[in-house]
Amino acid sequence: NAGVTQTPKFRILKIGQSMTLQCAQDMNHNYMYWYRQDPGMGLKLIYYSVGAGITDKGEVPNGYNVSRSTTEDFPLRLELAAPSQTSVYFCASSGDRRRGGDEQFFGPGTRLTVL
Amino acid sequence: GDSVTQMEGPVTLSEEAFLTINCTYTATGYPSLFWYVQYPGEGLQLLLKATKADDKGSNKGFEATYRKETTSFHLEKGSVQVSDSAVYFCALPYSGAGSYQLTFGKGTKLSVIP
Repeated sequence: NAGVTQTPKFRILKIGQSMTLQCAQDMNHNYMYWYRQDPGMGLKLIYYSVGAGITDKGEVPNGYNVSRSTTEDFPLRLELAAPSQTSVYFCASSGDRRRGGDEQFFGPGTRLTVL
Repeated sequence: GDSVTQMEGPVTLSEEAFLTINCTYTATGYPSLFWYVQYPGEGLQLLLKATKADDKGSNKGFEATYRKETTSFHLEKGSVQVSDSAVYFCALPYSGAGSYQLTFGKGTKLSVIP
């Protein structure tokens, strides 16, 4: 089991560029999440998904988009990158909470810098 | 709304010292409570959890007891090691419909010096 994988590990973007952060999990989890972590600020939820074809906004969705065409993959799209999006991005997944699967499993993160 | 408040860091301890990181929560009902740990350059990983009042979660020498009377879930370790240097996050699930998300504290950075 690879768990949750993320690519790339690091990326530098210029203002106005776009990119997709990839996330995949091999645990057959229905629930997936994208967080951003700013220094000293903890984690903030950007978007989440409760299953293929279903996504919803979290606390800080502006400037981002997601899609969930398969159970395994949950890419995060940044359109028109801005310096305020400089952060470390974490993808996570979890199983069915009703069956005790409320632990979230995290990927290693993508460190993004927008200059 | 549901929230967690944890002790601000950073915390610096000598090896073999006793560690306490305070966490209090506000929640509807009695959700599970979690401590996550983030080692340098890595993602978060679950350290321990407790699913109901008076439960004690434990792992790698760390313990935390779910206390509903004081709405607390403090993390403790009797003798820290250099390898425990990391950022620790307290977390609980959102309550209500679609309650699949976690809300995290801001994190407490622990540095253990030899």
